[in-house]
Amino acid sequence: KQEVTQIPAALSVPEGENLVLNCSFTDSAIYNLQWFRQDPGKGLTSLLLIQSSQREQTSGRLNASLDKSSGRSTLYIAASQPGDSATYLCAVRPASGTYKYIFGTGTRLKVLA
Amino acid sequence: GAGVSQSPSNKVTEKGKDVELRCDPISGHTALYWYRQSLGQGLEFLIYFQGNSAPDKSGLPSDRFSAERTGGSVSTLTIQRTQQEDSAVYLCASSLGTGRNQPQHFGDGTRLSIL
Repeated sequence: KQEVTQIPAALSVPEGENLVLNCSFTDSAIYNLQWFRQDPGKGLTSLLLIQSSQREQTSGRLNASLDKSSGRSTLYIAASQPGDSATYLCAVRPASGTYKYIFGTGTRLKVLA
Repeated sequence: GAGVSQSPSNKVTEKGKDVELRCDPISGHTALYWYRQSLGQGLEFLIYFQGNSAPDKSGLPSDRFSAERTGGSVSTLTIQRTQQEDSAVYLCASSLGTGRNQPQHFGDGTRLSIL
């Protein structure tokens, strides 16, 4: 059974720091891994989707890497800003014929001004 | 609209009542998903629609939960005889198709509170 874990559960950093969020999954048979952002009281906003054949994806200050064989992904945020404060979720789509995503419980990030 | 729309945004009801939650997906999106997010828990898959049919209902927690989709568009999630443990945020997502790398686009959710 696929399980997704995110560490740390919460993180507080001063503005301007570079930071790394971690995601691990137990079954390497996946189609893709997706990173989402969730603001309080809101739904999920897709940040980056990494296909199983890819190693990384970049969008602006965000860079996500995927090491499928070791079951790990990282989300790197450069030069953090207070507006980056949110909960970050990773999710994997198993390569098992299902169309659902399996989510981690998220990392709650606070960037201090 | 441009995004996935869910209504109501908040619902408070008494234990034992039935509730209906609505999801209006992005126009043209054939796939629709319901998830549940409980306090301190990750998102839990409930059900998936392709068109009007539901090939995967494996996440529905009990027979009190049901969902339908009509016209390949709007979907309704119904919870009968609500219990306090049903309190959660119910999120709907849609995608353009079921291709393996189609991203899912989420609505803002319905926050359900059972008294």
